[in-house]
Amino acid sequence: DQQVKQNSPSLSVQEGRISILNCDYTNSMFDYFLWYKKYPAEGPTFLISISSIKDKNEDGRFTVFLNKSAKHLSLHIVPSQPGDSAVYFCAASGGGAQKLVFGQGTRLTINP
Amino acid sequence: GAGVSQTPSNKVTEKGKYVELRCDPISGHTALYWYRQSLGQGPEFLIYFQGTGAADDSGLPNDRFFAVRPEGSVSTLKIQRTERGDSAVYLCASSAYRAGEKLFFGSGTQLSVL
Repeated sequence: DQQVKQNSPSLSVQEGRISILNCDYTNSMFDYFLWYKKYPAEGPTFLISISSIKDKNEDGRFTVFLNKSAKHLSLHIVPSQPGDSAVYFCAASGGGAQKLVFGQGTRLTINP
Repeated sequence: GAGVSQTPSNKVTEKGKYVELRCDPISGHTALYWYRQSLGQGPEFLIYFQGTGAADDSGLPNDRFFAVRPEGSVSTLKIQRTERGDSAVYLCASSAYRAGEKLFFGSGTQLSVL
């Protein structure tokens, strides 16, 4: 069973516009959520996180929104830059499980 | 401050052979994780160490897979009697935070079983 789902395999956005990446989860015990970014031939790198006690966390151009009732989170990147082109993974943890559960990833392409 | 180091970066082996993959975590990180990533998928949890002990090995697919961390630092993932389906990128991560938060990943080992 896929506890963390990213239903869009790919997304293409014009440079300077907003990129919105979505993630849904099914496990109501999850209480901590993270976004990772991955370039080819590199490991995932941490981008931003949010605890379930918040509904928004902002860091520069990156904002994560959490809707607990809908079990949905999103990552907003504004303005999008060519260097943002990468695969983005949503991850979650909680319920006593000492591990992160990842989604399948969304490949973001920023077009000049 | 070096990051998480994984060796080798690429490993090609024949079906049935034994392989070892090594991970050097960030110095001082007590938590160490192994994940496996297949093409087009997200990282899939294999095993988690807190110090020297395996705190959660629920993700290991079968008894051909084994991992150790004898001194609480370097870890080795061992795969016996490799199968073609074991081909994937094996990622190691470490963390200084509460388990399950903010993992720092290495670049991975691309394992190809022919």
